[in-house]
Amino acid sequence: GQQVMQIPQYQHVQEGEDFTTYCNSSTTLSNIQWYKQRPGGHPVFLIQLVKSGEVKKQKRLTFQFGEAKKNSSLHITATQTTDVGTYFCGSTNAGKSTFGDGTTLTVKP
Amino acid sequence: GAGVSQSPRYKVAKRGQDVALRCDPISGHVSLFWYQQALGQGPEFLTYFQNEAQLDKSGLPSDRFFAERPEGSVSTLKIQRTQQEDSAVYLCASSPVRNEQFFGPGTRLTVL
Repeated sequence: GQQVMQIPQYQHVQEGEDFTTYCNSSTTLSNIQWYKQRPGGHPVFLIQLVKSGEVKKQKRLTFQFGEAKKNSSLHITATQTTDVGTYFCGSTNAGKSTFGDGTTLTVKP
Repeated sequence: GAGVSQSPRYKVAKRGQDVALRCDPISGHVSLFWYQQALGQGPEFLTYFQNEAQLDKSGLPSDRFFAERPEGSVSTLKIQRTQQEDSAVYLCASSPVRNEQFFGPGTRLTVL
């Protein structure tokens, strides 16, 4: 079945620095979703990408889906302390979702 | 409006006990998912319902795990004869027709 791998596992940044997490698959994905999970919380949907090469922005967050639909990235510009949490990518195929193990972001004020 | 709710939020069970975890999805959401999340890992798919039909249960770890959604709304995940390795957070999510999933707060199960 499809698997998605995320790197890095952890990222610690100074407030104001940029942050990027990457999601990779050995197989072509029909879609990619990104979720954020705050410490002690549950995953919250951020966005879904479905088209090859697609780029979507949400304020300081930029999401990309690779041309081959095998990788994706989430980039945060000028991180804030409110950005702390674990960012998961996932992909759904015939109702079954597969998630990466996430990148945990910590931000030093 | 109300989101996905799960109960209980915390459950401590002795090894060998049966447990039942409840999920109330968002009203009108056709799809319902159960996941198991271990510490430091992403959610692991357990099973998926579309209305009352269980379309995929390939992620259930063993025949001790059973899920149902008899009326296409509330769902129950039952674990029989719990083992220590069953300790995890169990997440429920519901979804309208797209792939966006709304997660509940989870049930943290600890098996002693």
